Amino acid sequence: QQQVKQSPQSLIVQKGGISIINCAYENTAFDYFPWYQQFPGKGPALLIAIRPDVSEKKEGRFTISFNKSAKQFSLHIMDSQPGDSATYFCAASYSNYQLIWGAGTKLIIKP
Amino acid sequence: DADVTQTPRNRITKTGKRIMLECSQTKGHDRMYWYRQDPGLGLRLIYYSFDVKDINKGEISDGYSVSRQAQAKFSLSLESAIPNQTALYFCATSDFTGGYNEQFFGPGTRLTVL
Repeated sequence: QQQVKQSPQSLIVQKGGISIINCAYENTAFDYFPWYQQFPGKGPALLIAIRPDVSEKKEGRFTISFNKSAKQFSLHIMDSQPGDSATYFCAASYSNYQLIWGAGTKLIIKP
Repeated sequence: DADVTQTPRNRITKTGKRIMLECSQTKGHDRMYWYRQDPGLGLRLIYYSFDVKDINKGEISDGYSVSRQAQAKFSLSLESAIPNQTALYFCATSDFTGGYNEQFFGPGTRLTVL
């Protein structure tokens, strides 16, 4: 019940396309859902996060869509650029407890 | 200067050796974490500390120990390293501000156990 399942494991998208990464969870007590971005040789860094009281949050080309009834959330990257090539992790937590992490998605944007 | 630093950045050692990885932070955060990252497995929590006197085991603590020497310092030890501990290790910090648990990561330590 503590797991966060992330898919796909890897994704190749053409420049200018839309990248979509999905995550699913079981624990309905989760109340914070962040996405982290990791470039090679670096630690992960927070990209965007959402609370379950909203269904969507947008920051620039990055959007989180949240479906509380389905217990799923996804990251959409619009107009994907080669600089977006990175590994993306979803995560979840409740009551400010520690984060439960997805397994990661390696995204490659082809020029 | 980096807010979260880790030393060493790379380490090659032999089976059975004791290894210490160090983490320092200048963010003033109370909470610190140690993770290991393996391809296809994501980030797995080894230990976490919510303040100097509070240390907790994470998902994969066996074979590891930690020490929280001060608010700013959190060390991870492998008492007797084994090859399957070869991984990328990250330290992270966080502060419960406004109800969010944003974690800030160091640059990582790549550890190879031969």
